Amino acid sequence: RKEVEQDPGPFNVPEGATVAFNCTYSNSASQSFFWYRQDCRKEPKLLMSVYSSGNEDGRFTAQLNRASQYISLLIRDSKLSDSATYLCVVKTDSWGKLQFGAGTQVVVTP
Amino acid sequence: NAGVTQTPKFRVLKTGQSMTLLCAQDMNHEYMYWYRQDPGMGLRLIHYSVGEGTTAKGEVPDGYNVSRLKKQNFLLGLESAAPSQTSVYFCASSYNLAGTSGPLGETQYFGPGTRLLVL
Repeated sequence: RKEVEQDPGPFNVPEGATVAFNCTYSNSASQSFFWYRQDCRKEPKLLMSVYSSGNEDGRFTAQLNRASQYISLLIRDSKLSDSATYLCVVKTDSWGKLQFGAGTQVVVTP
Repeated sequence: NAGVTQTPKFRVLKTGQSMTLLCAQDMNHEYMYWYRQDPGMGLRLIHYSVGEGTTAKGEVPDGYNVSRLKKQNFLLGLESAAPSQTSVYFCASSYNLAGTSGPLGETQYFGPGTRLLVL
């Protein structure tokens, strides 16, 4: 069983619409949670951290559900530039070892 | 600041050949990592370093060696390349100061990647 699982998608989203997707993790002792964004043939970049109470960053909202061991990402008012693969990332060790999901592909269409 | 850089960007090897991938960072980060990314799989940690002169094995270390002789550089070596090592290799670095939480301590900054094809 993978430690971090994601729906690979693609999620095809009309421009201006809202899209949401989840990620599940298996290690209940996981400490920190992140969403990274990866454009095609580029390196991953931190999109946002995920805090216990949930947090927003502009059009992006992240939620954490420790009881059910999943995190979610919601994108409002989708832009064409939001087309990317979104990687769910979980920190399991105190020193910073990260577990990466395989990613959820989002395609925003005009 | 250049951030994290990797050389080469692309390489083709024949089975059995050797090569070294170079990663350099100018952010004075203590921690550095080498990952590989294959289709349908998340990034997998090959080796990592918690400081100059230190290295440790990650999730998939077999067939690779690393060295961190200088704080800003982290080298990944393939002694005898195999087709199974065809992948995209990413280097990353982070502050990851002991006891530091939050984005400053935990964000990993990635290089642009090296695409390796082993025939």
